[in-house]
Amino acid sequence: GDSVTQMEGPVTLSEEAFLTINCTYTATGYPSLFWYVQYPGEGLQLLLKATKADDKGSNKGFEATYRKETTSFHLEKGSVQVSDSAVYFCALTQNSGNTPLVFGKGTRLSVIA
Amino acid sequence: DAGITQSPRYKITETGRQVTLMCHQTWSHSYMFWYRQDLGHGLRLIYYSAAADITDKGEVPDGYVVSRSKTENFPLTLESATRSQTSVYFCASTTSGVGDTQYFGPGTRLTVL
Repeated sequence: GDSVTQMEGPVTLSEEAFLTINCTYTATGYPSLFWYVQYPGEGLQLLLKATKADDKGSNKGFEATYRKETTSFHLEKGSVQVSDSAVYFCALTQNSGNTPLVFGKGTRLSVIA
Repeated sequence: DAGITQSPRYKITETGRQVTLMCHQTWSHSYMFWYRQDLGHGLRLIYYSAAADITDKGEVPDGYVVSRSKTENFPLTLESATRSQTSVYFCASTTSGVGDTQYFGPGTRLTVL
């Protein structure tokens, strides 16, 4: 079945550092790819998404590009802030009908001032 | 209030008791989902529903029961709670569009003693 693998955390960075969180997937066909973020004590919310190969999703300074050749959707941000501290989940869903999301295990990011 | 809500937000119960977690959304989304979040496992799908009176099992359905008599409500029942069901439970909903965003509730933290 479909699966998502993301880098183990936790990740600790200083403010203004560059962030990369790796995400690779295994899936048949052409899934849609997502990054969700969970701030402390809250539910998940969509950060960005891409629905086809070579699409770039972006939001709040975060970016991720759908790379079908490497089955990857790595999350990047050029300069992190303390307010970016959260757990980040990579996920996919198949585009044939509205199938449930398949999540990675999450990566906890802590940004220190 | 518009959106997706869960109740209760926190619940402590004892082994063997029946517990029902409520989920309500105001968007008339067709699809609704229940996930549990545990350290080291990320989010795992328990059950989902494509419409009223249509439900399907997810990855970890054992010990749970769902119903969906109305589009806006999707309660999750633990018929006889066990300690292994101590977790944070999230409800989510989405339209029937391909690759559409899932919107998550704030979660219910359940402790089974």
